[in-house]
Amino acid sequence: SQQGEEDPQALSIQEGENATMNCSYKTSINNLQWYRQNSGRGLVHLILIRSNEREKHSGRLRVTLDTSKKSSSLLITASRAADTASYFCATGSTGNQFYFGTGTSLTVIP
Amino acid sequence: DTGVSQNPRHKITKRGQNVTFRCDPISEHNRLYWYRQTLGQGPEFLTYFQNEAQLEKSRLLSDRFSAERPKGSFSTLEIQRTEQGDSAMYLCASSLGQINTEAFFGQGTRLTVV
Repeated sequence: SQQGEEDPQALSIQEGENATMNCSYKTSINNLQWYRQNSGRGLVHLILIRSNEREKHSGRLRVTLDTSKKSSSLLITASRAADTASYFCATGSTGNQFYFGTGTSLTVIP
Repeated sequence: DTGVSQNPRHKITKRGQNVTFRCDPISEHNRLYWYRQTLGQGPEFLTYFQNEAQLEKSRLLSDRFSAERPKGSFSTLEIQRTEQGDSAMYLCASSLGQINTEAFFGQGTRLTVV
């Protein structure tokens, strides 16, 4: 079963704008990971945030985590056409597997 | 080591045939995962290894599916008597055997059952 749910399902923005996507989950977690997937390809790991962290940055990426609301957000600043992809959150809890959401499809228009 | 490697990248098979996929994880990673992804969906967990031990299997994994990881290195996923519903992308990931460590994915094997 999939625990995470991304919102929106699809997002279209102009190059240079910021893109924000959200992930909500249902149960307690140890960590949350964000991945990018280009069409028909494998998943590229973007960032991992632990349950005791509230915010994390990596280049143009900013991830926040609010465990009280069971939600996370991924912000991509100054978007580029190459950022066009699907973005997934994956939650890790006390089990050994991690669960993915349904993804947000981002289109960046040049 | 350039990352997780999966072979083949694509496989087309006739219904009823058996297929086997291979995954080579990042060399120092002792955890290995298999996921399945259908079009428009997120990856679904299938099974997980800690070294050579298969520690967890999803209810999605029917008796026609079997996975092995001999010697705790590469892993194989076999599907027997394939059905059209098995058509999907099969993804392998690996990670260090510690909590809160990143999992890295291979490029996947796309299976088409005709």
